[in-house]
Amino acid sequence: EPEVTQTPSHQVTQMGQEVILRCVPISNHLYFYWYRQILGQKVEFLVSFYNNEISEKSEIFDDQFSVERPDGSNFTLKIRSTKLEDSAMYFCASSEWALGNQPQHFGDGTRLSIL
Amino acid sequence: SQQGEEDPQALSIQEGENATMNCSYKTSINNLQWYRQNSGRGLVHLILIRSNEREKHSGRLRVTLDTSKKSSSLLITASRAADTASYFCATDARAGGTSYGKLTFGQGTILTVHP
Repeated sequence: EPEVTQTPSHQVTQMGQEVILRCVPISNHLYFYWYRQILGQKVEFLVSFYNNEISEKSEIFDDQFSVERPDGSNFTLKIRSTKLEDSAMYFCASSEWALGNQPQHFGDGTRLSIL
Repeated sequence: SQQGEEDPQALSIQEGENATMNCSYKTSINNLQWYRQNSGRGLVHLILIRSNEREKHSGRLRVTLDTSKKSSSLLITASRAADTASYFCATDARAGGTSYGKLTFGQGTILTVHP
């Protein structure tokens, strides 16, 4: 069964550094998402992306965050200048469509630790 | 309570027993989805129920939706030790009639099934 894959599985970064989290969504999916889960808290929506542009973003997704689909397979989340509070699990997800009640398929996540 | 709140927060049962988890939400929804998360792993989609559906089955899973009460339940019948995981409900809420797939997750129910 096709899977969403995320790399790296664990990223340790110094505060203030830039970090790029990578995802390969399922190949025939058109909608892509990033979520995060701070330890012990809920999974929170960050951003949805379709047709090479952001469809929706949450208040968490400020100017420090950006997303990109640099080629036909990868989907990336960049945090420009990391803060301690950015430490969390970051999940990428994809769906065939967003309009039409489609399930989202999640990767196993990247654990981001900011020192 | 916030959108997508589950109860109980933790549930401990013996193998073979049924497990019922409940979810309440506040806004109108397109659909409600249940996900499972094993420790340290990503979210696995279990079942999606649309706002115009009242009940849905998938194998040992049964989901109900009561839009008048803004609540849903997930029943796992004949539980197995392998069902031990966290279970989350997630709502896909209408935003002026258009959804871009933003899911709002609850805090989750930690299910432990003892062999």
